Amino acid sequence: DQQVKQNSPSLSVQEGRISILNCDYTNSMFDYFLWYKKYPAEGPTFLISISSIKDKNEDGRFTVFLNKSAKHLSLHIVPSQPGDSAVYFCAASAIGNQFYFGTGTSLTVIP
Amino acid sequence: DAGVTQSPTHLIKTRGQQVTLRCSPKSGHDTVSWYQQALGQGPQFIFQYYEEEERQRGNFPDRFSGHQFPNYSSELNVNALLLGDSALYLCASSLVVSSYEQYFGPGTRLTVT
Repeated sequence: DQQVKQNSPSLSVQEGRISILNCDYTNSMFDYFLWYKKYPAEGPTFLISISSIKDKNEDGRFTVFLNKSAKHLSLHIVPSQPGDSAVYFCAASAIGNQFYFGTGTSLTVIP
Repeated sequence: DAGVTQSPTHLIKTRGQQVTLRCSPKSGHDTVSWYQQALGQGPQFIFQYYEEEERQRGNFPDRFSGHQFPNYSSELNVNALLLGDSALYLCASSLVVSSYEQYFGPGTRLTVT
């Protein structure tokens, strides 16, 4: 039962342009959402998070948007840089409970 | 400041065997969670340890068991290995059991033949 879905396995973007990564979830009890970035041979690294009481959180070039009614969140990276090339996972949790991860989107930023 | 470390890096086992994976949490962290990441999938929660007890468990059979030591390090044991157990096993640590902020180790790649 995939409670968190990332329907785009891969995405290619030109350097300097915007990257938009999408994530959908099914469990309305989720109240906290995170994005992780993973390079090969490394563990996932926390990138940015958002609580369900907000609809936007920004940290430098990274912004996460949450649409609770659509059960959808997205990660915007502006401007995209070659070093952003990695696999991005979204994850969700209901308070105090386990995290559910999506299957990941592989982002390639073309110089 | 040492991050999360895991050993070994890679492991090859035969079906039916048993395996033990090890994790040392980030300095100051007291909670350890284990995840299984199969090829092309996202990490799947196995269980979480806090105060040397299993606090939460995901949808994994009893063949998967764990332990947490007084120094907060942890082991993941898998008995009667199946081919489908081949995956990257990730350990994550956090400061408190309810913390959303988890730090992941690099993982142990287990191959079952």
